[in-house]
Amino acid sequence: DGGITQSPKYLFRKEGQNVTLSCEQNLNHDAMYWYRQDPGQGLRLIYYSQIVNDFQKGDIAEGYSVSREKKESFPLTVTSAQKNPTAFYLCASSIEGLTAPLHFGNGTRLTVT
Amino acid sequence: GIQVEQSPPDLILQEGANSTLRCNFSDSVNNLQWFHQNPWGQLINLFYIPSGTKQNGRLSATTVATERYSLLYISSSQTTDSGVYFCAGRTGTYKYIFGTGTRLKVLA
Repeated sequence: DGGITQSPKYLFRKEGQNVTLSCEQNLNHDAMYWYRQDPGQGLRLIYYSQIVNDFQKGDIAEGYSVSREKKESFPLTVTSAQKNPTAFYLCASSIEGLTAPLHFGNGTRLTVT
Repeated sequence: GIQVEQSPPDLILQEGANSTLRCNFSDSVNNLQWFHQNPWGQLINLFYIPSGTKQNGRLSATTVATERYSLLYISSSQTTDSGVYFCAGRTGTYKYIFGTGTRLKVLA
C-alpha cells in the first residue's frame, strides 16, 4: 500500500545530541514537508521541498536541517542548536501542482532530556 | 502572512448531537483541507475541498472561497469523533497554513 512512513515512532535523546528523523514515501509525490506540533497547538512548518536536491525554510527552521537526495526520502535532523526540541514531528507529502492535497505520516514523538 | 482562525476552540457534545466547525482565512488560499487528529496523533484527511460542498457519511464540508471560509458539519456524533479538527489552506507557494484547531470531545 502507498503511504508515508516515519520512523521511529518514539525517540529519546540526551540534550546536546543531534538526532535524525526518517520520512519515506512511496506515493511518487514531488513535494515533502516537515511540521512540528507542540502539545495543544497547531502545526508549524519547519522545511519543505518541491523537488530533489532543493528545499526551503519554513517558519521555524532554526536548529533544524534537511536533505532531499532522493524523491522518496526527506530526513530531518534536529541539531543541538534547537533550543526546545521536544515535540511531535509530522512529515507530509503532496503531488506537484497547486491543486494537490496534503498527506501525512503517523509522526515521531521526540523527547530530549 | 495569512492567518487561519478556527472556531470554536473547544467543543463538548453528547453522543448523537450535531455540530458545525468553522474555519476563516484572512486572505485567499488555493486549496483547503480538513483533517482529524485522533488521540494517537494521526492526522486523517477528511476533505479536500477548495470550493463547494462534499459529503462523506456523517461528515460534510462546505467552502465558500470568495468569502474565505469553510464549514465542517458533523452529524449524529460518536465518541470516535473525539480529537482535534484542523483546517489548512495553501498560499501561492507550496506552503500550507494550518489553523489552531477545534478540540472536540464527544461524551457517551
